[in-house]
Amino acid sequence: GEDVEQSLFLSVREGDSSVINCTYTDSSSTYLYWYKQEPGAGLQLLTYIFSNMDMKQDQRLTVLLNKKDKHLSLRIADTQTGDSAIYFCAESTGSSNTGKLIFGQGTTLQVKP
Amino acid sequence: DAGVIQSPRHEVTEMGQEVTLRCKPISGHNSLFWYRQTMMRGLELLIYFNNNVPIDDSGMPEDRFSAKMPNASFSTLKIQPSEPRDSAVYFCASSESNQPQHFGDGTRLSIL
Repeated sequence: GEDVEQSLFLSVREGDSSVINCTYTDSSSTYLYWYKQEPGAGLQLLTYIFSNMDMKQDQRLTVLLNKKDKHLSLRIADTQTGDSAIYFCAESTGSSNTGKLIFGQGTTLQVKP
Repeated sequence: DAGVIQSPRHEVTEMGQEVTLRCKPISGHNSLFWYRQTMMRGLELLIYFNNNVPIDDSGMPEDRFSAKMPNASFSTLKIQPSEPRDSAVYFCASSESNQPQHFGDGTRLSIL
């Protein structure tokens, strides 16, 4: 069945780059997403990438997709303490962007001053 | 723009009671999703609607759980009777065609 795996924890120093990795199993996934969850809040969409793209950049965020290896990464440049949160990788199932999402278990990013 | 609005934000009740969670999706969005988040199981999709019609309810844990969407601007998730293992954060999300899902802030449910 579909599955999304992430490492559980990442700690970096303020100003460094953070790289959060994710692997998925459904080769038919059309879209892959990164969401951010701060304490007591819902999931906030950070960015998403279409499966025929290799890379997407949005300000401090860079998403890399290796479709052959089913590997997705999120790089945050110049990481700030406000970036401390849980980051979820998710894949869509089926061809529509409004269908079911399969989420990873989330990576807790700790940014030390 | 108003995002997805969920109520209540927090609910504490005794086991056996009926619990009703409410969601107002973003205006114009035609898909609505209910999720449950726990430490043990992470984020789970319970059910989703498209144009007010339930499409996939395979994630609903058991018959104690039911969800309705009587119109495009309102949905409820009901648990009757509630049990302590239902304690979790319940999220509602909505989307429009070919656009990503947007989440509400969740309802933190505690069943004593």
